[in-house]
Amino acid sequence: GAGVSQTPSNKVTEKGKYVELRCDPISGHTALYWYRQSLGQGPEFLIYFQGTGAADDSGLPNDRFFAVRPEGSVSTLKIQRTERGDSAVYLCASSLTPGQGTDTQYFGPGTRLTVL
Amino acid sequence: LAKTTQPISMDSYEGQEVNITCSHNNIATNDYITWYQQFPSQGPRFIIQGYKTKVTNEVASLFIPADRKSSTLSLPRVSLSDTAVYYCLIYNQGGKLIFGQGTELSVKP
Repeated sequence: GAGVSQTPSNKVTEKGKYVELRCDPISGHTALYWYRQSLGQGPEFLIYFQGTGAADDSGLPNDRFFAVRPEGSVSTLKIQRTERGDSAVYLCASSLTPGQGTDTQYFGPGTRLTVL
Repeated sequence: LAKTTQPISMDSYEGQEVNITCSHNNIATNDYITWYQQFPSQGPRFIIQGYKTKVTNEVASLFIPADRKSSTLSLPRVSLSDTAVYYCLIYNQGGKLIFGQGTELSVKP
């Protein structure tokens, strides 16, 4: 079946602009995660949705970052007043049985965000 | 959360067996050990997960000693396409995955 998809694959914006990044999880997966990965580093957790609600948003760096999942499927990560330091690859993952030790997260290909 | 330590990089040749060891001294009773693989310009991909002893699938084997303070990912007969970054993670049912820097494996012909 289809995996996790993310759009756009690349996004170039100017400092101060607003951007939206979209994630389509695997059908039927109740949990959705956002991570951010800088060059040479491992992915860094941002936020985790269980259904429509954010179960853990402890990784969001500041109030410029916001994410929604209104119908419990597609999610949008929104970044206001972008800064050059926001440049990174934004990864989305989904899973079927969050909270269970054998749960597996399936990642999308990521959106590469470049802030000029 | 348990912290993991693994080598930053490793080199190997095609056809060799590669073993990557990860230390996780303060692993908790309910924690699982999970390994992900990441190719350039792709998201991480689940390889294998275990709780204790040995787990084997079509891709790799995972060896976990009785004290569970370390684990070893074993890749049999690597090929050039196994060149990637390998992450050892401790999953404790909290939802989020905590990634370290991973081990960059380079397979040479």
